[in-house]
Amino acid sequence: TQLLEQSPQFLSIQEGENLTVYCNSSSVFSSLQWYRQEPGEGPVLLVTVVTGGEVKKLKRLTFQFGDARKDSSLHITAAQPGDTGLYLCAGAGGSARQLTFGSGTQLTVLP
Amino acid sequence: DAEITQSPRHKITETGRQVTLACHQTWNHNNMFWYRQDLGHGLRLIHYSYGVQDTNKGEVSDGYSVSRSNTEDLPLTLESAASSQTSVYFCASSDPYGTQYFGPGTRLLVL
Repeated sequence: TQLLEQSPQFLSIQEGENLTVYCNSSSVFSSLQWYRQEPGEGPVLLVTVVTGGEVKKLKRLTFQFGDARKDSSLHITAAQPGDTGLYLCAGAGGSARQLTFGSGTQLTVLP
Repeated sequence: DAEITQSPRHKITETGRQVTLACHQTWNHNNMFWYRQDLGHGLRLIHYSYGVQDTNKGEVSDGYSVSRSNTEDLPLTLESAASSQTSVYFCASSDPYGTQYFGPGTRLLVL
């Protein structure tokens, strides 16, 4: 069974601060996805990283896939209250049809 | 626009009763999934289907069943509801690239 450990579980910061969320595993994934979930809704895909060492930027969000494709990070620059939500990483195995989800990071950005 | 819907959005039932949660997608995706989300556990896979008449057990399948008679629908049945099945349930379908699209969730309370 592939496991994904996500840290921290909870993060509360002030508007304008930077933060990093980590997603680690002992397993190799063919790709890794990051989702964001708001209260009362289902998760929505933010990005997919496929190549080891890949870095993708989405405005103030930077996603990195580890060289060995076992870990990933999400860095947010100058966080805003609108970034508040549950961030989930999810790894795809060989078939890429199933995903293993991390336990999530609940981010609260205070104005 | 294509979408994925779940019904009901909220359900209260009693221990021992049979409950069916509906999931309907208009993406025309072959792959569909059912997850439960509990605090501290992220999303855990219950059952999944890769096409009509195909169903497979996920990580936490005990006490649940699914059927796939057409592309659009994957109903989830709790055969005899237990208090441990109180949770938020999410249905998802995925495109050929592995991106999963989630429904809005069903909040189930078993008394």
